[in-house]
Amino acid sequence: SQQGEEDPQALSIQEGENATMNCSYKTSINNLQWYRQNSGRGLVHLILIRSNEREKHSGRLRVTLDTSKKSSSLLITASRAADTASYFCATLSGGSYIPTFGRGTSLIVHP
Amino acid sequence: NAGVTQTPKFQVLKTGQSMTLQCAQDMNHEYMSWYRQDPGMGLRLIHYSVGAGITDQGEVPNGYNVSRSTTEDFPLRLLSAAPSQTSVYFCASSEQGNQPQHFGDGTRLSIL
Repeated sequence: SQQGEEDPQALSIQEGENATMNCSYKTSINNLQWYRQNSGRGLVHLILIRSNEREKHSGRLRVTLDTSKKSSSLLITASRAADTASYFCATLSGGSYIPTFGRGTSLIVHP
Repeated sequence: NAGVTQTPKFQVLKTGQSMTLQCAQDMNHEYMSWYRQDPGMGLRLIHYSVGAGITDQGEVPNGYNVSRSTTEDFPLRLLSAAPSQTSVYFCASSEQGNQPQHFGDGTRLSIL
């Protein structure tokens, strides 16, 4: 069963706009990870945020984590057409070895 | 480094046939896992391994077997293929359980 659930399921924006995707989860976690999947390819890790962290940045990506609300968000600033992909959150809970993935958000960035 | 390599990339089987999906990694990672990805379902964990000789079941293990005789290889066996096993299969590895996963490019499997 999915631990994390992304919202929205699909997002369509214009190049240059910001894209925000959210992930909610049910049980306490050790860390939360965001991945990108381009069409026909495997998932690529973007950012890992630990349960004691509130915000992390990587280039145009910003991830926040609110453990009190059991939610995380991924912000992509100044989106590009190349950002078109599916984005997944994955949670690692205490005692688990392998993260559990959500269903993903499909992002389309129009040139 | 090649990372995680999956073979074959595509396969068509008939119901009842068996086959092995291969997965190899050259990063000396201890943790390896198999997922299936179906439309609208995200990734679901089939089996995983925390080291050579150690395997365990994930969320959807029925109809699949795995073994881990070496650190590098983690093959997934379909014992008697069923149409419900039509899916895209991904293998992943990580250095430790709390580290990011590295994924292969998947095997697209169709069962008629």
